[in-house]
Amino acid sequence: EPEVTQTPSHQVTQMGQEVILRCVPISNHLYFYWYRQILGQKVEFLVSFYNNEISEKSEIFDDQFSVERPDGSNFTLKIRSTKLEDSAMYFCASSEKAGGPRKYFGPGTRLLVL
Amino acid sequence: QKEVEQNSGPLSVPEGAIASLNCTYSDRGSQSFFWYRQYSGKSPELIMFIYSNGDKEDGRFTAQLNKASQYVSLLIRDSQPSDSATYLCAVVQLSGGGADGLTFGKGTHLIIQP
Repeated sequence: EPEVTQTPSHQVTQMGQEVILRCVPISNHLYFYWYRQILGQKVEFLVSFYNNEISEKSEIFDDQFSVERPDGSNFTLKIRSTKLEDSAMYFCASSEKAGGPRKYFGPGTRLLVL
Repeated sequence: QKEVEQNSGPLSVPEGAIASLNCTYSDRGSQSFFWYRQYSGKSPELIMFIYSNGDKEDGRFTAQLNKASQYVSLLIRDSQPSDSATYLCAVVQLSGGGADGLTFGKGTHLIIQP
């Protein structure tokens, strides 16, 4: 079964530092997503990406966040200047079709901002 | 503002019984409905999806959708201890052409008692 992979699995950073979270979506998928889940809270949509551009973004996805597909396989989320409240689990997901049922989630990166 | 509401539980069900999980959503434009299972510290895993009013069955799982009442449910028959997890209801509104993010509820924590 194909799977989405994410690195690193855990990241600890100091407030104000930049972090880059990496994802390798499933190879034939066209739609890519980032979600986050603060401990004990619901999974929240951040951004979707299609055809090398942002398709939709939530209110959470402000100017501190950016996404990029630097090559044919990786999909990254950058947080420019981390805040304490950015501490969360960040999930990457991919799917073949827009709104399609099969959104495959990666295992997540647990980010801790100190 | 899209909202998805779930009773957070915990919902405790004896092994072998039917577990019934419920979800309501606020956005009448929602078109696709999903149930995910999430084990503690893990990523969401798709269990069922449903697009049309009525019931959809897959093995021990049945999803039910009532768009008029803006209500989605998940029934788990012959509940097993391995079904103990948090069940997330999610909806998506296809805006046409783009990749739309899922709006999740907070989830219902289900405990199957052996």
